Amino acid sequence: EVRLVESGGGLVKPGESLRLSCAASGFTFSSFSMNWVRQAPGKGLEWVSFIGSSSSYKYYAASVKGRFTISRDNAKNSLYLQVNSVTPEDTAVYYCARGEYDILTGYLDYWGQGTLVTVSS
Amino acid sequence: SYVLTQPPSVSVAPGKTATITCGGDNVGRKNVHWYQQKSGQAPVLVIYYHRDRPSGIPERFSGSNSGNTATLTIRRVEAGDEADYYCQVWDSIGDHLLFGGGTKLTVL
Repeated sequence: EVRLVESGGGLVKPGESLRLSCAASGFTFSSFSMNWVRQAPGKGLEWVSFIGSSSSYKYYAASVKGRFTISRDNAKNSLYLQVNSVTPEDTAVYYCARGEYDILTGYLDYWGQGTLVTVSS
Repeated sequence: SYVLTQPPSVSVAPGKTATITCGGDNVGRKNVHWYQQKSGQAPVLVIYYHRDRPSGIPERFSGSNSGNTATLTIRRVEAGDEADYYCQVWDSIGDHLLFGGGTKLTVL
């Protein structure tokens, strides 16, 4: 059974940093691209970042480029999102989602339950 | 930048057909995927590559994509179909994944 479990969310102050993690199981993690998608309270889905299966390709939404860094450790079956210089606009539930192998135009077929990041002073 | 436009809401009576559109410039040339998100839950893939259904998704769910509009159709709507629905593409110009704004399906 494919399972994705996010962690690392919490309450942070503007300008601070945190690192989100996503533990994957039930599939060959190193064969699939991964994504972070976030959802602000009461709002729609917003894609954040993509990483290829071997970390060769990384893409970011314009709203987070330069502040967020996506990475992965295939030996640990884990995906990460380093979140720096947070603002209240970064308040959201952050989901990790599995991509369709390394196909950029592909779908996101499995999602975690999300981890909530709240930015407030 | 590329934009996907969905109606904010669609209402349908049980047993009827719901049609949710996703508009975008020449979206018919792109691979479109659809997700269902019920209240308080993570999104679930319901249609991929315009018209294919993942295992476990009822045949009542179907999709099409042509010209400037992709469409998700739900036949014989049930109360359990009430959710937010999102279309998704990859924008190859901007190198980013893009979701539509979402459509809230209400079953009357």
